[in-house]
Amino acid sequence: DSGVTQTPKHLITATGQRVTLRCSPRSGDLSVYWYQQSLDQGLQFLIQYYNGEERAKGNILERFSAQQFPDLHSELNLSSLELGDSALYFCASSGAKQFFGPGTRLTVL
Amino acid sequence: SQELEQSPQSLIVQEGKNLTINCTSSKTLYGLYWYKQKYGEGLIFLMMLQKGGEEKSHEKITAKLDEKKQQSSLHITASQPSHAGIYLCGADIIGNTGKLIFGQGTTLQVKP
Repeated sequence: DSGVTQTPKHLITATGQRVTLRCSPRSGDLSVYWYQQSLDQGLQFLIQYYNGEERAKGNILERFSAQQFPDLHSELNLSSLELGDSALYFCASSGAKQFFGPGTRLTVL
Repeated sequence: SQELEQSPQSLIVQEGKNLTINCTSSKTLYGLYWYKQKYGEGLIFLMMLQKGGEEKSHEKITAKLDEKKQQSSLHITASQPSHAGIYLCGADIIGNTGKLIFGQGTTLQVKP
């Protein structure tokens, strides 16, 4: 167990819909990262937050947004979903080392 | 990512054999992580390397970082079926952000 928790574990939804993925970092970690893993693109960095502020951005679509709350948990919002958004979404947190959560498998039908 | 290349892409070994997986970056490495993943599951942290020449071991897995070559290798000694999975290297090529780029992964099968 990495200490990073993610909910839900699985999510099935339809095209055009909006979903929210949730992440709680390891105790004491201020940084949260979101990654997307798909068969064709591999594991790709989306966005990083540090203590509530956006720190770095990757190839995150405009339809996607994230935030980190005062209690340090983070949410990734995905809207106007398309079939191609189906993937595993991972959250990671770091102090000195980066640990990953178990992921949320998103299926868009 | 083409910035980080892993080789081989897949590997099948007999139980008890040694094996090596390589990870090569086209950019300067500020940190190199190795993770293991079972298909469809989360990434399990194995090791993090930061300094050139650094070598770390965890049970029968050893990783080394060659800063000059911008390369890391992961070596498994006396492989076991429990070592099977996908090995991913992740690199910090920016420094001080923690943002990682990942290789495409190496799928390891260990035949009993």
